[in-house]
Amino acid sequence: DQQVKQNSPSLSVQEGRISILNCDYTNSMFDYFLWYKKYPAEGPTFLISISSIKDKNEDGRFTVFLNKSAKHLSLHIVPSQPGDSAVYFCAAATGTASKLTFGTGTRLQVTL
Amino acid sequence: DGGITQSPKYLFRKEGQNVTLSCEQNLNHDAMYWYRQDPGQGLRLIYYSQIVNDFQKGDIAEGYSVSREKKESFPLTVTSAQKNPTAFYLCASSTVQFFSNQPQHFGDGTRLSIL
Repeated sequence: DQQVKQNSPSLSVQEGRISILNCDYTNSMFDYFLWYKKYPAEGPTFLISISSIKDKNEDGRFTVFLNKSAKHLSLHIVPSQPGDSAVYFCAAATGTASKLTFGTGTRLQVTL
Repeated sequence: DGGITQSPKYLFRKEGQNVTLSCEQNLNHDAMYWYRQDPGQGLRLIYYSQIVNDFQKGDIAEGYSVSREKKESFPLTVTSAQKNPTAFYLCASSTVQFFSNQPQHFGDGTRLSIL
């Protein structure tokens, strides 16, 4: 049973436009969410996180929105750059438990 | 520089052989993790350890074993009992108290292939 879902396996966006990556979860005990970016043959790198007490967190070009009632979060990248082309994973955790549950990833391609 | 080192980057195994993947961290993190990534899938947790000499099974522990004799090291052994070991293996570490600004840090992975 996939507790964290990324239903779009891929997304293509023009350079300079907004990229919106979506993530849904089913476990209501999740209260901490993260986004990771991954290039081929490398480990994921942490991008941004949000706790369930917030509905928005912003860091430069990256903003994460959390809708707890819909069990949905999204990552906005504005403006998108070619270097943003990678696979993006959504992950979730419960309380102070450090164990993460990952989604299946969305491959973002930013075109010129 | 602080970080996580996984070695080797590529590893080949013959059928019926056990193989050990190395993971070392110098971030002074208490917790360490092993994940497996298959094409088109997310990262799945194999084992994790929150303290030296203790570890727990993750979601797909069958066919794998780990040890945690030192804080810095968390080697993963892929045994012959693992029927489909070909995958990309990722090691991560974190503090045990999971604060919003202290996420898991990952190594660059080891790709294991069966000959």
